[in-house]
Amino acid sequence: QSALTQPASVSGSPGQSITISCTGTSSDVGGYNYVSWYQQHPGKAPKLMIYDVSNRPSGVSNRFSGSKSGNTASLTISGLQAEDEADYYCSSYTSSSTHVFGTGTKVTVL
Amino acid sequence: EVQLVESGGGLVQPGGSLRLSCAASGFTFSSYWMSWVRQAPGKGLEWVANIKQDGSEKYYVDSVKGRFTISRDNAKNSLYLQVNSLRAEDTAVYYCARRVGYCTSTSCYMAEWGQGTLVTVSS
Repeated sequence: QSALTQPASVSGSPGQSITISCTGTSSDVGGYNYVSWYQQHPGKAPKLMIYDVSNRPSGVSNRFSGSKSGNTASLTISGLQAEDEADYYCSSYTSSSTHVFGTGTKVTVL
Repeated sequence: EVQLVESGGGLVQPGGSLRLSCAASGFTFSSYWMSWVRQAPGKGLEWVANIKQDGSEKYYVDSVKGRFTISRDNAKNSLYLQVNSLRAEDTAVYYCARRVGYCTSTSCYMAEWGQGTLVTVSS
């Protein structure tokens, strides 16, 4: 049950696009289309941003998009805004019927 | 509106126990898997446990197996986490979350989260 690997930090200027990667194995990310992404602002609970690899919940901006290739999933934020500055975590279902989260990525808007 | 409200956290000595609770409202509690996720201070999220709608299936992260027990009371719309033999490394904010999907043929994600309850293990 090792954590999925994410970059520790990603930054971009307002209006730019950034991409956060999430690398696992064939037993989690690569084996299921059940990758989700969560946004967490300091002191707040996580918020679902993307589910089942590429689906956006109602109310989440279409600036957020998800994809997957092999054992690596990605979250792209386009038209970066100041309010997007937060921590982001990926998560995947696993072959052990458990869940695993990524190591987390701090997004900074320059 | 889905609401999840955790309670029961606090300061406990190493080796001690607590019972965490999560009161659910705004959805048909008995129709969903539920999850506990924790976050140590300044650290990332860690999935802890899941429980099926009727309580017949439970899954745990290896580090808490044999020490933590997840349970639910559908009549009270409540989720619980009994945490025993606590260690310093169990210090964290514990969140409950509503899990959507069966994770075998449909969707699979944690849709809504509570605000969390802090467990501090220290002498």
